[in-house]
Amino acid sequence: AQSVAQPEDQVNVAEGNPLTVKCTYSVSGNPYLFWYVQYPNRGLQFLLKYITGDNLVKGSYGFEAEFNKSQTSFHLKKPSALVSDSALYFCAVRDGSAGNMLTFGGGTRLMVKP
Amino acid sequence: GAVVSQHPSWVICKSGTSVKIECRSLDFQATTMFWYRQFPKQSLMLMATSNEGSKATYEQGVEKDKFLINHASLTLSTLTVTSAHPEDSSFYICSVRGNAVDTQYFGPGTRLTVL
Repeated sequence: AQSVAQPEDQVNVAEGNPLTVKCTYSVSGNPYLFWYVQYPNRGLQFLLKYITGDNLVKGSYGFEAEFNKSQTSFHLKKPSALVSDSALYFCAVRDGSAGNMLTFGGGTRLMVKP
Repeated sequence: GAVVSQHPSWVICKSGTSVKIECRSLDFQATTMFWYRQFPKQSLMLMATSNEGSKATYEQGVEKDKFLINHASLTLSTLTVTSAHPEDSSFYICSVRGNAVDTQYFGPGTRLTVL
């Protein structure tokens, strides 16, 4: 079975400060890892993914994430937060070796204050 | 990435009626489509997975006779909520994926309110 944990329900950060949204995962095979962002009453927008290659992945809107195999983590980061980054962020994993299913974490609400 | 649309974006219906939600992949051949539901302040729960031309595979606890899914083509899937009840009120989101594509792309969601 595969699972994703986002240990923080909410992250508060001041505009201009760096932000980190944490994610850890568990999967039997090769992890395919994704970050999505959801704005109120909207679907999910794809931010970035790790399939293979460099552990540091760069995505949309200045976000990046680092795949750490030993810690089974895929934390989302941004050097300088914007108020417009305030939204709900979901980490997800799929077993690249087998299976269709994308499993989501519980989501982390990011609040960026001016 | 793929552009995915859903129609309607918001629907209010009376208890006992059926509601059809369409999901279209506008620029992408979606060999696999997924339907999720999301309750307020919660994560997405997968309801079913469908491959074009095949019957949908439902997750445990999801009634296939209540949530009818038709994946008629590579660009269209429909979810019909039959005999809707207030507890079916939720945010329904579709997602698409292609054969050679690792990433799932999501529609904007449909908010269903059953009175």
